Amino acid sequence: GQQVMQIPQYQHVQEGEDFTTYCNSSTTLSNIQWYKQRPGGHPVFLIQLVKSGEVKKQKRLTFQFGEAKKNSSLHITATQTTDVGTYFCAGVSGSARQLTFGSGTQLTVLP
Amino acid sequence: DTAVSQTPKYLVTQMGNDKSIKCEQNLGHDTMYWYKQDSKKFLKIMFSYNNKELIINETVPNRFSPKSPDKAHLNLHINSLELGDSAVYFCASSLSGVSYNEQFFGPGTRLTVL
Repeated sequence: GQQVMQIPQYQHVQEGEDFTTYCNSSTTLSNIQWYKQRPGGHPVFLIQLVKSGEVKKQKRLTFQFGEAKKNSSLHITATQTTDVGTYFCAGVSGSARQLTFGSGTQLTVLP
Repeated sequence: DTAVSQTPKYLVTQMGNDKSIKCEQNLGHDTMYWYKQDSKKFLKIMFSYNNKELIINETVPNRFSPKSPDKAHLNLHINSLELGDSAVYFCASSLSGVSYNEQFFGPGTRLTVL
């Protein structure tokens, strides 16, 4: 079945440093979504990427979808303590009817 | 104004008991899901219903039985609870047939089996 790997599993950064999480799928994806889960909270949708090579920005967050549509990344510039949480990628492959979530990256931002 | 609501928020019970978790969404979505999140934060889909019909049933013990009385509700009943069932259970919903099918999650139910 479809597998979505995410690295790193944990990341500690000093406030102001940059952060990147990477997502890799075993199959070609039709689209990829990113979610953020604050500690004690629930996953909240951030963005969806559909096109090969697509890049989207949301303030300090930059999302990329790979040319082969099998990988994606989320980059946060100059992290803030409000960025703390677990970031999940979630992909849909062509034949699947469900989102498969990556294992998540737990981000800690030290003040 | 809550979009996806779940009850209860916390559930502490003994092994062997039967319990239910309820979920309701007021977004007009036609698809609802149950996810299990373990202590390592891994999110695994359990079930998905579209217009009250089961469309995804992952490898889940048959002690877990979902029920969807209508499009706005998806309940989860668990029989003979085991220690390994301890986790956070999230309900979610989405609208099918649109390209931007983001999922909206409920606040979660933290189940602890003693």
